[in-house]
Amino acid sequence: GAVVSQHPSRVICKSGTSVKIECRSLDFQATTMFWYRQFPKQSLMLMATSNEGSKATYEQGVEKDKFLINHASLTLSTLTVTSAHPEDSSFYICSARGSGVFSGNTIYFGEGSWLTVV
Amino acid sequence: AQKITQTQPGMFVQEKEAVTLDCTYDTSDPSYGLFWYKQPSSGEMIFLIYQGSYDQQNATEGRYSLNFQKARKSANLVISASQLGDSAMYFCAMGLLNGNQFYFGTGTSLTVIP
Repeated sequence: GAVVSQHPSRVICKSGTSVKIECRSLDFQATTMFWYRQFPKQSLMLMATSNEGSKATYEQGVEKDKFLINHASLTLSTLTVTSAHPEDSSFYICSARGSGVFSGNTIYFGEGSWLTVV
Repeated sequence: AQKITQTQPGMFVQEKEAVTLDCTYDTSDPSYGLFWYKQPSSGEMIFLIYQGSYDQQNATEGRYSLNFQKARKSANLVISASQLGDSAMYFCAMGLLNGNQFYFGTGTSLTVIP
């Protein structure tokens, strides 16, 4: 079946540095990718939606300049956390939507990335 | 704005019994899809079942069934014959068919008791 690969699965970075998380659709073209943030025992909060070749649409309250999202191709979207701080430590997970009729088989999730800022 | 509500933060069920996890939603868009996902402690999102807003019949996938009541805007997940491996977080989600929005409910932590 379709696979979405997210990398890295775990990353530790120093406060003030930037970290990039990649989300790749391995065997289908992802017209839309979603980025979520999840705190322990809480829900997935949609951060932004990105469409290939266009600027991402950010949810209210999400800092565009801090969470840079790029969707340069139909198989790759990246989330860059700039000037990371300890409060940015969280689980980040992406999902990709393929083309075709919308159904349970057209949304695929990456494995998620655990970010720890020290 | 779309809104997904799961009112049960935690649920317990005896092994081999059935359990219903509640989900209500709110949208003015007539074209949408409702999803249920299971998230074990590892963090991965496991797709369980899907119901389209225009589907006439309730969706079923093995031990999972979705009790879709469109007028009440509810999409409850029913897990039959619970197994110990069903213990996890369960999330209801909604996506708009003509848009690029996909939102999750707050989740329900299910614990299956031996």
